[in-house]
Amino acid sequence: NAGVTQTPKFQVLKTGQSMTLQCAQDMNHEYMSWYRQDPGMGLRLIHYSVGAGITDQGEVPNGYNVSRSTTEDFPLRLLSAAPSQTSVYFCASSLTGGAPSGANVLTFGAGSRLTVL
Amino acid sequence: AQSVTQPDIHITVSEGASLELRCNYSYGATPYLFWYVQSPGQGLQLLLKYFSGDTLVQGIKGFEAEFKRSQSSFNLRKPSVHWSDAAEYFCAVFFPRGSGYSTLTFGKGTMLLVSP
Repeated sequence: NAGVTQTPKFQVLKTGQSMTLQCAQDMNHEYMSWYRQDPGMGLRLIHYSVGAGITDQGEVPNGYNVSRSTTEDFPLRLLSAAPSQTSVYFCASSLTGGAPSGANVLTFGAGSRLTVL
Repeated sequence: AQSVTQPDIHITVSEGASLELRCNYSYGATPYLFWYVQSPGQGLQLLLKYFSGDTLVQGIKGFEAEFKRSQSSFNLRKPSVHWSDAAEYFCAVFFPRGSGYSTLTFGKGTMLLVSP
């Protein structure tokens, strides 16, 4: 049982390049989400998904795309990277994403550190 | 507006001393509250959570937190700090969104430094 797996762990991009951060979970969780962590800002929600085919925007969605074609995977796409997207990105999942309960306690991945030059 | 505030950016505590990290929230209904810890270069680990019931909740690693509705607070405490507790601590609250789902909103974090 691997939990939440993020790849790559580290990535350096040039401004304007595109890339995809991968997130996979093997816990049959319905809910998956992406956060970015910046110094002094805590974690901010980028996008989330409550099931295959259903995604929604969080607090800071601009510059990022997501899709959810399977229960297991929730990739985050940067179509044209900007230096402002330099950050550490965390994927997190929970059994459900509805009303708060013990079923929607988040499990986090180890993070992906992205630098945009 | 819904928000989570951690007033202290950094706190330094001597090893063996007691610890209290503050968390305040702004929300009109009963909140669902969490504390997470992040060691350097690591992901986030859940320390404890409050959904309902007893307002004093126990977590892992000897931590506890008390929900005080009148003060809109959920402060984290530990009676005796160990050097291994040095980390960043995040308070988080479930807030409902317009979509009908709830998502987790984090405070900006408090960095705990432990001195010998």
